[in-house]
Amino acid sequence: QQPVQSPQAVILREGEDAVINCSSSKALYSVHWYRQKHGEAPVFLMILLKGGEQKGHEKISASFNEKKQQSSLYLTASQLSYSGTYFCGTAYQTGANNLFFGTGTRLTVIP
Amino acid sequence: DAGVIQSPRHEVTEMGQEVTLRCKPISGHNSLFWYRQTMMRGLELLIYFNNNVPIDDSGMPEDRFSAKMPNASFSTLKIQPSEPRDSAVYFCASSLGVYNEQFFGPGTRLTVL
Repeated sequence: QQPVQSPQAVILREGEDAVINCSSSKALYSVHWYRQKHGEAPVFLMILLKGGEQKGHEKISASFNEKKQQSSLYLTASQLSYSGTYFCGTAYQTGANNLFFGTGTRLTVIP
Repeated sequence: DAGVIQSPRHEVTEMGQEVTLRCKPISGHNSLFWYRQTMMRGLELLIYFNNNVPIDDSGMPEDRFSAKMPNASFSTLKIQPSEPRDSAVYFCASSLGVYNEQFFGPGTRLTVL
């Protein structure tokens, strides 16, 4: 039930954009996005719910395609602080709190 | 707000010993999660509680693992006996309600020799 993330790793220069994808083989109810810096705990970025509701930070955007069972995280005008590993967590049931996390996408932003 | 508190931050033990990891969730949160993170398997949910009741423990790898939440402000994850393959970073997280962000603790890095 673990979702698949792509790419596994990406290197960007400051100011460039990136897209991280999260695909599931099962119908999704919600998708959560987290970022983890090396040696630290994951930090919440965004939640997308079936039906279109979103909760998250203003500077980060994401989409949720229910038919394709996938979500994409859009990072625009990247900054050095965006570096880290991005995880999507998926829930497959209404009211489910348990998440299945993908293997992560390592993003490195260089000057 | 103190955030989620975990202890110890680091634990080194020998195979066969009992290990107890502790977690204090954010006050007022009613859901608590235990995760394990390794390079090979990524971030795995072990068990989660809602209002102190275990809801889903299907991620607990073996009977050697057990978790309790005696009250709303404390939870433990116990491994007995521990094995080298249990070496990982164990995170505790808490949230309020459903469809809300999970706040992760700093983690406990466990090394079993």
